[in-house]
Amino acid sequence: KQEVTQIPAALSVPEGENLVLNCSFTDSAIYNLQWFRQDPGKGLTSLLLIQSSQREQTSGRLNASLDKSSGRSTLYIAASQPGDSATYLCAVRLSGAGSYQLTFGKGTKLSVIP
Amino acid sequence: NAGVTQTPKFQVLKTGQSMTLQCAQDMNHNSMYWYRQDPGMGLRLIYYSASEGTTDKGEVPNGYNVSRLNKREFSLRLESAAPSQTSVYFCASRGAVGELNYGYTFGSGTRLTVV
Repeated sequence: KQEVTQIPAALSVPEGENLVLNCSFTDSAIYNLQWFRQDPGKGLTSLLLIQSSQREQTSGRLNASLDKSSGRSTLYIAASQPGDSATYLCAVRLSGAGSYQLTFGKGTKLSVIP
Repeated sequence: NAGVTQTPKFQVLKTGQSMTLQCAQDMNHNSMYWYRQDPGMGLRLIYYSASEGTTDKGEVPNGYNVSRLNKREFSLRLESAAPSQTSVYFCASRGAVGELNYGYTFGSGTRLTVV
């Protein structure tokens, strides 16, 4: 069974700092990996999706990397802002026929202090 | 804006009552999902529908039923609500490569309290 772990569970940084969020998964036979953002009391917003054949994806100040062989992904946030404060979730979709579901980590709660 | 719409946003039920959570997507996606999110547990899959006319159990299906009414709509029904079903419920759809919104798109959630 795929397990996804996100460390740390919570992170507090001063505004302007660059930061890295970590995600690890136990089964490297993945189809893709997706990073989401969740604001308090809200739904999930997709940030980046990395296919298993890709090494990284970038969107604005966000960069997600994938090392399938070691079962790790990182989300890099450059020049953090208070508006980046949210919970960040990593989710993995396995490869193979019938693998329709995402397996989620429990998230990293990020607080960016002005 | 294309996306996933869930109704209602909030609901309070008494134990034993029934209700249906509605979900609709306008991205022409084949696959749709129902997840629940609980503190400390993360998101867990309840049921999914790989295509119109098919449904399958996920990780935590007990106490729930689903209906894939058509390609757009996927509803979740609680026949006899229990306090353990107090949770936030999310509907999602999945776009395949080349489709609008490739990957998973989530609705804004239904916050359900069973008393």
